[in-house]
Amino acid sequence: NAGVTQTPKFRVLKTGQSMTLLCAQDMNHEYMYWYRQDPGMGLRLIHYSVGEGTTAKGEVPDGYNVSRLKKQNFLLGLESAAPSQTSVYFCASSYLGQSQETQYFGPGTRLLVL
Amino acid sequence: GQQLNQSPQSMFIQEGEDVSMNCTSSSIFNTWLWYKQDPGEGPVLLIALYKAGELTSNGRLTAQFGITRKDSFLNISASIPSDVGIYFCAGLIYNQGGKLIFGQGTELSVKP
Repeated sequence: NAGVTQTPKFRVLKTGQSMTLLCAQDMNHEYMYWYRQDPGMGLRLIHYSVGEGTTAKGEVPDGYNVSRLKKQNFLLGLESAAPSQTSVYFCASSYLGQSQETQYFGPGTRLLVL
Repeated sequence: GQQLNQSPQSMFIQEGEDVSMNCTSSSIFNTWLWYKQDPGEGPVLLIALYKAGELTSNGRLTAQFGITRKDSFLNISASIPSDVGIYFCAGLIYNQGGKLIFGQGTELSVKP
């Protein structure tokens, strides 16, 4: 069991470039999440998905898009990167987001936008 | 929106000392989770609390779910150097897509 994996681990972009971050989980979890973490702050939810083919906005969705074409994968896209999107991005997954539930996190993707 | 206030923001202690940190909110949560994050890593779950008043231990760690469901604390006894890291509390409300609300984190430093 690899758990939650993220690719790439680190990326440098120029302002205006686009990229896609990939999250994969092998635990057959229904729910998946994308967070960003900035210095001195906790994790903030960008987008999430409660199942294959469905996505929803989180706390800070602007400038990001997501897709959940397969249950095990959750993609985070930046169409036109901005320096404000320099951050560490974490993916997480959980079973159903209900009672007795917890979220498991990936190792993170460090993104620098110049 | 919901917010969690976590304190203290940072702690610098001697090895062997006990540590206590807490989270409070104006909102009621159904679940409280405590995570630890090591440098360059993702958060790792330490303790999960599912019932008001619940007191749960995991080795030297003890956490409680407040009776009002608006707060939680985490204690670490007899700290060791590997306890260094950032500790986050997170609250979850059912029927909101399993979304977690995170505290700002407590950065713990342990001096040998």
